[in-house]
Amino acid sequence: AQRVTQPEKLLSVFKGAPVELKCNYSYSGSPELFWYVQYSRQRLQLLLRHISRESIKGFTADLNKGETSFHLKKPFAQEEDSAMYYCALLTGGGNKLTFGTGTQLKVEL
Amino acid sequence: GAVVSQHPSWVICKSGTSVKIECRSLDFQATTMFWYRQFPKQSLMLMATSNEGSKATYEQGVEKDKFLINHASLTLSTLTVTSAHPEDSSFYICSARFSGANVLTFGAGSRLTVL
Repeated sequence: AQRVTQPEKLLSVFKGAPVELKCNYSYSGSPELFWYVQYSRQRLQLLLRHISRESIKGFTADLNKGETSFHLKKPFAQEEDSAMYYCALLTGGGNKLTFGTGTQLKVEL
Repeated sequence: GAVVSQHPSWVICKSGTSVKIECRSLDFQATTMFWYRQFPKQSLMLMATSNEGSKATYEQGVEKDKFLINHASLTLSTLTVTSAHPEDSSFYICSARFSGANVLTFGAGSRLTVL
């Protein structure tokens, strides 16, 4: 069965510091991975997906099949990055999106 | 961009009553809609997947007679919590996917409190 693990419930960093939100997955097939973000009092929204290989709001994530990881990174954290971040794995022909438990990122001044 | 509207955003009901939550795709046709449940400080758990015009596929452990899902059109899916009990109190979130896309658009969620 597929599984997504986000080991950190809370990550607190200072403004300007680098950020890395960890995500590991378990899936026997070819994975399609996403990062979703939920800002305070807002709905869940897509941040980025691995097949796009793009940078959104300064965030990047590289799929490492050898380590089964899809860590989210940003070189310099901003206050507005404070939010809940979920890593998600799409399987079942696109019919099942499995979420990790989420990491609350807090950027302090 | 694609927008998913969920209604109501907050509902309180008495134990034993049924509650219906609507999920609408506003500017696209959603061939597939998904219903999630989220407990406080926990992740989203997929409850069921519904395709327009067919029966929903429920995840293991989710009672289909308890959580009735109807996806009668390409823009509307409903979740009815039947004979609700306090343990059904939770945050219910729908999401939708249009044909050919592997990106889900989420509704804002509906908070159900059963007294």
